[in-house]
Amino acid sequence: QKEVEQDPGPLSVPEGAIVSLNCTYSNSAFQYFMWYRQYSRKGPELLMYTYSSGNKEDGRFTAQVDKSSKYISLFIRDSQPSDSATYLCATTGANTGGFKTIFGAGTRLFVKA
Amino acid sequence: GAVVSQHPSRVICKSGTSVKIECRSLDFQATTMFWYRQFPKQSLMLMATSNEGSKATYEQGVEKDKFLINHASLTLSTLTVTSAHPEDSSFYICSARGGPQETQYFGPGTRLLVL
Repeated sequence: QKEVEQDPGPLSVPEGAIVSLNCTYSNSAFQYFMWYRQYSRKGPELLMYTYSSGNKEDGRFTAQVDKSSKYISLFIRDSQPSDSATYLCATTGANTGGFKTIFGAGTRLFVKA
Repeated sequence: GAVVSQHPSRVICKSGTSVKIECRSLDFQATTMFWYRQFPKQSLMLMATSNEGSKATYEQGVEKDKFLINHASLTLSTLTVTSAHPEDSSFYICSARGGPQETQYFGPGTRLLVL
């Protein structure tokens, strides 16, 4: 079992839709949770960074962490064609060999105009 | 957010030559730097982790003599692909960890093509 599971997609939605991206993780010791966005042929860009369970909002993006079920989500409201990218969830913690970051496989998102 | 630069962004070389890629954290001191490799439509593959002033820790299956990593300062790490071959062609991405929350930031990547 992988430490972080993420559906690779692709996920295709119409412009304006609400997008839900999800990951599950196996190690309850993970403490920090991140979402990165990667455009084609570019390096990943940090979108959201959360520590505790609950929601964190930044513009059209909301990151949600449920530590009890080991489930993390990223919601994108009013999705735009420019949101088309690969989204990687990631987690780290003191028990991952010195805060080693564990990445999901990434979900490819296509937002159609 | 923090900025990590990578140079060059793209390089084409002949088989058998060595290629050096630089990674710099521009506005923070990176306690740790990471080197990843990514094939088309695949996720990141961690190659090695390096801390300033010490030897890099390589992931299983990554040849340390093939991929030389030097972490000379808290803002600079280099990856040298020695005696490159066509199968080394890939997208190489560095990442630097630092700041008050020890967050990991990525460089823009270097596309290597070995002919």
